[in-house]
Amino acid sequence: DAKTTQPPSMDCAEGRAANLPCNHSTISGNEYVYWYRQIHSQGPQYIIHGLKNNETNEMASLIITEDRKSSTLILPHATLRDTAVYYCIALTGGTSYGKLTFGQGTILTVHP
Amino acid sequence: DSGVTQTPKHLITATGQRVTLRCSPRSGDLSVYWYQQSLDQGLQFLIQYYNGEERAKGNILERFSAQQFPDLHSELNLSSLELGDSALYFCASSVGFPVSSGANVLTFGAGSRLTVL
Repeated sequence: DAKTTQPPSMDCAEGRAANLPCNHSTISGNEYVYWYRQIHSQGPQYIIHGLKNNETNEMASLIITEDRKSSTLILPHATLRDTAVYYCIALTGGTSYGKLTFGQGTILTVHP
Repeated sequence: DSGVTQTPKHLITATGQRVTLRCSPRSGDLSVYWYQQSLDQGLQFLIQYYNGEERAKGNILERFSAQQFPDLHSELNLSSLELGDSALYFCASSVGFPVSSGANVLTFGAGSRLTVL
């Protein structure tokens, strides 16, 4: 599975969009990009995933560059409850049975 | 409620003891994963089961063992406990299709907090 690189921390004002970048320059064609988050000491929570196309759900949007070497998770209107560690993970679909390897992630702090 | 149930939520025990952590996966999920999160470390993958069979192994100590039962619940057994085993232990489940394509989303439980004194 491709290595991912994320900034260690980011700040965002409440109500503004939070844009969290992730670099995965060695990603292969069949590797999905997943985003999870962990709010203090709670179980990690799935946010969104994508392969090639941009994706949007009720929580966030995922923008994947055309060359797939990087992606951005967008929380459109961040709230204080979005303060968490965000993990970007590249993972081959299916054959590995899907175990996730978590890196250090990005600590997102949303300020009032 | 994620649908993944872990018990107990909190456990305090002494060094040298043995404990069992239990996980019930979401209905319909065949794969179960165990992760450990210590204060000074991130989420570490321990072991994965799919439909009763071990499928992947991470940095799991020999003192730890796990299994997945026919009803798909899983247990993580930790023995000869040391102070350093104090951590949050998370269980996750997924459908876990063994096919060459398709995404696989993990759903995590709330965790079991183990304190070894």
